[in-house]
Amino acid sequence: AQKITQTQPGMFVQEKEAVTLDCTYDTSDPSYGLFWYKQPSSGEMIFLIYQGSYDQQNATEGRYSLNFQKARKSANLVISASQLGDSAMYFCAMREEYGNNRLAFGKGNQVVVIP
Amino acid sequence: DGGITQSPKYLFRKEGQNVTLSCEQNLNHDAMYWYRQDPGQGLRLIYYSQIVNDFQKGDIAEGYSVSREKKESFPLTVTSAQKNPTAFYLCATSPGQGNYGYTFGSGTRLTVV
Repeated sequence: AQKITQTQPGMFVQEKEAVTLDCTYDTSDPSYGLFWYKQPSSGEMIFLIYQGSYDQQNATEGRYSLNFQKARKSANLVISASQLGDSAMYFCAMREEYGNNRLAFGKGNQVVVIP
Repeated sequence: DGGITQSPKYLFRKEGQNVTLSCEQNLNHDAMYWYRQDPGQGLRLIYYSQIVNDFQKGDIAEGYSVSREKKESFPLTVTSAQKNPTAFYLCATSPGQGNYGYTFGSGTRLTVV
């Protein structure tokens, strides 16, 4: 069964606008971590933000914030004030405490920022 | 600077040949991972190793082999048994148990010609 679901089609975003990328997950483990990575066209995976399952507050890192809704099992990434350099694939991933430290990835969301 | 080195960046292989992709790290991380990425797709786990001299199959291990003789190194061999080896291969590391993310290398793009 798929653990991470990212189903949005490719998105075009106007520069300086905010964009929300959806991610839902499936786990029965009470302790888990959620991650977002950015993959520009060069291919490297860049870590953006982390949310622990027991964290009370939504994670924020600069222009990135995570809208964590535990009961709905969703962990949406919000990018504020989009920049041209934000054009990339974005991957949501989950690591379960009892999952042998494996990160399970979603299929990704393509974002293109237009001037 | 600590990091992960994957080499080569681009690799061409003739059908029927084995090829080995290199992954070296100086982060002193215990765990290392190999992922495969196909165009427009997410990452799929091939093999992983949590300690030296030990490794486990991931979700798509058929046609691949690995070794972990040193903490710093986790080479991946793509064998001739892999039916569709053309893909982007990413190596990653993590410190070990706990809610740590992965650090990724820059990847190797393998093309079978």
